[in-house]
Amino acid sequence: EPEVTQTPSHQVTQMGQEVILRCVPISNHLYFYWYRQILGQKVEFLVSFYNNEISEKSEIFDDQFSVERPDGSNFTLKIRSTKLEDSAMYFCASSEYMDSPLHFGNGTRLTVT
Amino acid sequence: QKEVEQDPGPLSVPEGAIVSLNCTYSNSAFQYFMWYRQYSRKGPELLMYTYSSGNKEDGRFTAQVDKSSKYISLFIRDSQPSDSATYLCAMSRINNDMRFGAGTRLTVKP
Repeated sequence: EPEVTQTPSHQVTQMGQEVILRCVPISNHLYFYWYRQILGQKVEFLVSFYNNEISEKSEIFDDQFSVERPDGSNFTLKIRSTKLEDSAMYFCASSEYMDSPLHFGNGTRLTVT
Repeated sequence: QKEVEQDPGPLSVPEGAIVSLNCTYSNSAFQYFMWYRQYSRKGPELLMYTYSSGNKEDGRFTAQVDKSSKYISLFIRDSQPSDSATYLCAMSRINNDMRFGAGTRLTVKP
Protein backbone atom coordinates (compact mmCIF):
# COMPACT_ATOMS: atom_id res chain seq x y z
CA GLU A 1 0.00 0.00 0.00
CA PRO A 2 1.39 3.44 -0.87
CA GLU A 3 2.55 5.48 2.07
CA VAL A 4 3.83 8.89 3.06
CA THR A 5 7.53 8.81 3.90
CA GLN A 6 9.38 11.32 6.03
CA THR A 7 13.07 11.93 6.57
CA PRO A 8 14.93 12.13 8.81
CA SER A 9 13.18 10.20 11.55
CA HIS A 10 15.02 12.22 14.18
CA GLN A 11 16.72 15.59 13.83
CA VAL A 12 18.69 17.30 16.54
CA THR A 13 19.62 20.92 16.07
CA GLN A 14 20.83 23.87 18.07
CA MET A 15 18.65 26.82 18.82
CA GLY A 16 18.83 29.41 16.06
CA GLN A 17 19.74 26.93 13.35
CA GLU A 18 17.67 26.27 10.25
CA VAL A 19 16.17 22.84 9.67
CA ILE A 20 14.43 21.30 6.69
CA LEU A 21 12.07 18.39 7.20
CA ARG A 22 11.36 16.30 4.15
CA CYS A 23 8.34 14.36 3.02
CA VAL A 24 7.39 12.29 0.01
CA PRO A 25 3.59 12.25 -0.21
CA ILE A 26 1.61 9.48 -1.88
CA SER A 27 2.20 9.89 -5.60
CA ASN A 28 -1.34 10.57 -6.86
CA HIS A 29 -2.26 12.87 -3.98
CA LEU A 30 -2.80 16.55 -4.64
CA TYR A 31 -3.12 18.05 -1.17
CA PHE A 32 -0.28 18.18 1.33
CA TYR A 33 -0.16 19.07 4.99
CA TRP A 34 2.12 19.53 7.94
CA TYR A 35 1.00 18.85 11.49
CA ARG A 36 2.88 19.07 14.76
CA GLN A 37 2.59 17.14 18.02
CA ILE A 38 4.42 18.42 21.05
CA LEU A 39 5.13 15.60 23.51
CA GLY A 40 1.99 14.78 25.47
CA GLN A 41 -0.16 17.25 23.55
CA LYS A 42 -2.63 17.22 20.67
CA VAL A 43 -1.79 16.88 17.03
CA GLU A 44 -1.99 20.45 15.69
CA PHE A 45 -2.54 21.70 12.16
CA LEU A 46 0.25 23.84 10.73
CA VAL A 47 -0.36 24.30 7.02
CA SER A 48 -2.00 22.89 3.94
CA PHE A 49 -0.66 23.16 0.40
CA TYR A 50 -2.26 22.69 -2.98
CA ASN A 51 -1.30 23.61 -6.51
CA ASN A 52 2.04 25.02 -5.33
CA GLU A 53 0.41 27.41 -2.89
CA ILE A 54 -0.44 27.51 0.77
CA SER A 55 -4.21 27.12 1.04
CA GLU A 56 -4.58 27.35 4.82
CA LYS A 57 -2.28 27.98 7.74
CA SER A 58 -2.68 28.12 11.48
CA GLU A 59 -1.51 30.77 13.90
CA ILE A 60 1.42 28.49 14.75
CA PHE A 61 2.73 28.79 11.19
CA ASP A 62 4.45 32.15 11.52
CA ASP A 63 7.22 33.75 9.47
CA GLN A 64 9.74 31.25 10.84
CA PHE A 65 8.07 28.50 8.85
CA SER A 66 7.90 27.93 5.13
CA VAL A 67 6.86 25.07 2.87
CA GLU A 68 7.94 24.13 -0.59
CA ARG A 69 7.37 21.49 -3.22
CA PRO A 70 10.76 21.69 -4.93
CA ASP A 71 10.04 18.92 -7.44
CA GLY A 72 7.30 16.48 -8.38
CA SER A 73 7.72 14.23 -5.37
CA ASN A 74 9.08 16.09 -2.33
CA PHE A 75 7.32 18.40 0.10
CA THR A 76 9.43 20.23 2.66
CA LEU A 77 8.94 22.21 5.85
CA LYS A 78 11.64 24.72 6.72
CA ILE A 79 12.08 26.32 10.11
CA ARG A 80 14.43 29.26 9.71
CA SER A 81 15.66 29.91 13.24
CA THR A 82 14.65 27.14 15.56
CA LYS A 83 13.52 27.76 19.12
CA LEU A 84 13.39 25.37 22.05
CA GLU A 85 9.61 25.29 21.81
CA ASP A 86 9.81 23.98 18.24
CA SER A 87 10.82 20.60 19.67
CA ALA A 88 8.03 18.23 18.61
CA MET A 89 7.03 15.46 16.24
CA TYR A 90 6.29 16.87 12.81
CA PHE A 91 3.92 14.86 10.67
CA CYS A 92 3.46 15.22 6.96
CA ALA A 93 0.15 14.12 5.45
CA SER A 94 -1.40 13.98 2.02
CA SER A 95 -4.83 13.45 0.54
CA GLU A 96 -6.05 12.72 -2.95
CA TYR A 97 -8.79 15.37 -2.93
CA MET A 98 -9.76 18.15 -0.56
CA ASP A 99 -12.44 16.02 1.08
CA SER A 100 -10.49 12.76 1.08
CA PRO A 101 -9.06 11.35 4.30
CA LEU A 102 -5.51 12.30 5.22
CA HIS A 103 -2.73 9.75 5.23
CA PHE A 104 0.12 10.49 7.61
CA GLY A 105 3.80 9.68 7.60
CA ASN A 106 5.57 8.38 10.68
CA GLY A 107 6.92 11.79 11.55
CA THR A 108 10.21 13.52 12.19
CA ARG A 109 11.15 14.04 15.80
CA LEU A 110 12.77 17.46 16.05
CA THR A 111 14.84 18.18 19.13
CA VAL A 112 16.11 21.72 19.59
CA THR A 113 18.86 22.10 22.18
CA GLN B 1 -15.21 25.18 25.66
CA LYS B 2 -12.52 23.35 23.70
CA GLU B 3 -13.28 22.81 20.04
CA VAL B 4 -12.76 19.02 20.32
CA GLU B 5 -12.85 17.22 23.64
CA GLN B 6 -11.67 13.67 24.19
CA ASP B 7 -11.06 11.87 27.45
CA PRO B 8 -7.33 10.99 27.43
CA GLY B 9 -7.87 7.91 29.60
CA PRO B 10 -5.98 5.73 30.10
CA LEU B 11 -8.51 3.01 29.39
CA SER B 12 -7.71 -0.61 30.20
CA VAL B 13 -9.94 -3.51 29.18
CA PRO B 14 -9.62 -7.31 29.05
CA GLU B 15 -9.21 -9.04 25.73
CA GLY B 16 -12.55 -9.61 24.03
CA ALA B 17 -14.27 -6.62 25.61
CA ILE B 18 -16.23 -4.02 23.68
CA VAL B 19 -14.46 -0.69 23.78
CA SER B 20 -16.29 2.62 23.48
CA LEU B 21 -14.35 5.78 22.68
CA ASN B 22 -15.99 9.18 22.44
CA CYS B 23 -15.44 12.79 21.48
CA THR B 24 -17.56 15.90 21.73
CA TYR B 25 -17.11 19.05 19.74
CA SER B 26 -18.39 22.58 19.69
CA ASN B 27 -18.11 23.69 16.06
CA SER B 28 -21.35 22.83 14.26
CA ALA B 29 -19.64 23.44 10.92
CA PHE B 30 -17.65 20.20 11.17
CA GLN B 31 -18.79 17.75 8.52
CA TYR B 32 -16.00 15.20 8.21
CA PHE B 33 -15.26 12.91 11.14
CA MET B 34 -12.35 10.56 11.47
CA TRP B 35 -10.78 8.15 13.87
CA TYR B 36 -7.07 7.53 13.79
CA ARG B 37 -4.99 4.99 15.67
CA GLN B 38 -1.50 5.96 16.76
CA TYR B 39 1.09 3.52 17.99
CA SER B 40 4.06 4.78 19.94
CA ARG B 41 6.54 6.70 17.77
CA LYS B 42 4.37 6.28 14.68
CA GLY B 43 2.13 8.57 12.69
CA PRO B 44 -1.67 8.52 12.96
CA GLU B 45 -3.19 5.68 10.95
CA LEU B 46 -6.67 6.21 9.52
CA LEU B 47 -9.26 3.80 10.89
CA MET B 48 -12.62 5.28 10.02
CA TYR B 49 -13.83 8.20 7.91
CA THR B 50 -17.41 9.43 7.87
CA TYR B 51 -19.20 12.34 6.37
CA SER B 52 -22.07 13.94 8.30
CA SER B 53 -24.26 11.94 10.70
CA GLY B 54 -24.79 8.20 10.79
CA ASN B 55 -23.03 4.92 11.41
CA LYS B 56 -20.23 3.21 9.55
CA GLU B 57 -18.94 -0.28 10.17
CA ASP B 58 -15.65 -1.84 9.12
CA GLY B 59 -14.87 -5.24 10.56
CA ARG B 60 -14.66 -4.96 14.33
CA PHE B 61 -14.89 -1.16 14.22
CA THR B 62 -18.05 0.95 14.19
CA ALA B 63 -18.07 4.73 14.01
CA GLN B 64 -21.11 6.77 14.97
CA VAL B 65 -21.72 10.46 14.39
CA ASP B 66 -24.53 12.38 16.04
CA LYS B 67 -24.32 15.93 14.73
CA SER B 68 -27.37 17.06 16.70
CA SER B 69 -25.53 16.25 19.93
CA LYS B 70 -22.08 17.07 18.55
CA TYR B 71 -20.90 13.66 19.66
CA ILE B 72 -18.94 10.96 17.90
CA SER B 73 -18.05 7.45 18.98
CA LEU B 74 -15.85 4.57 17.98
CA PHE B 75 -16.72 1.04 19.09
CA ILE B 76 -14.25 -1.81 18.95
CA ARG B 77 -15.74 -5.29 19.25
CA ASP B 78 -13.78 -8.33 20.41
CA SER B 79 -10.83 -6.16 21.36
CA GLN B 80 -7.36 -7.62 20.92
CA PRO B 81 -4.01 -6.81 22.56
CA SER B 82 -2.90 -5.49 19.17
CA ASP B 83 -5.59 -2.81 19.50
CA SER B 84 -3.56 -1.26 22.32
CA ALA B 85 -2.73 2.22 21.07
CA THR B 86 -3.80 5.82 21.32
CA TYR B 87 -7.04 6.59 19.47
CA LEU B 88 -7.48 10.07 18.08
CA CYS B 89 -10.73 11.57 16.94
CA ALA B 90 -10.46 14.26 14.28
CA MET B 91 -12.91 16.43 12.44
CA SER B 92 -12.99 19.22 9.93
CA ARG B 93 -15.13 21.46 7.78
CA ILE B 94 -12.87 20.61 4.89
CA ASN B 95 -9.70 18.66 5.32
CA ASN B 96 -7.48 21.68 5.24
CA ASP B 97 -7.73 22.35 8.96
CA MET B 98 -8.51 19.09 10.68
CA ARG B 99 -8.85 19.36 14.46
CA PHE B 100 -7.75 16.51 16.65
CA GLY B 101 -8.84 15.39 20.07
CA ALA B 102 -6.22 14.79 22.73
CA GLY B 103 -6.29 11.03 22.12
CA THR B 104 -7.38 8.18 24.39
CA ARG B 105 -4.74 5.68 25.38
CA LEU B 106 -6.18 2.15 25.26
CA THR B 107 -4.63 -1.00 26.69
CA VAL B 108 -6.18 -4.39 25.96
CA LYS B 109 -4.91 -6.97 28.41
CA PRO B 110 -4.56 -10.63 27.34
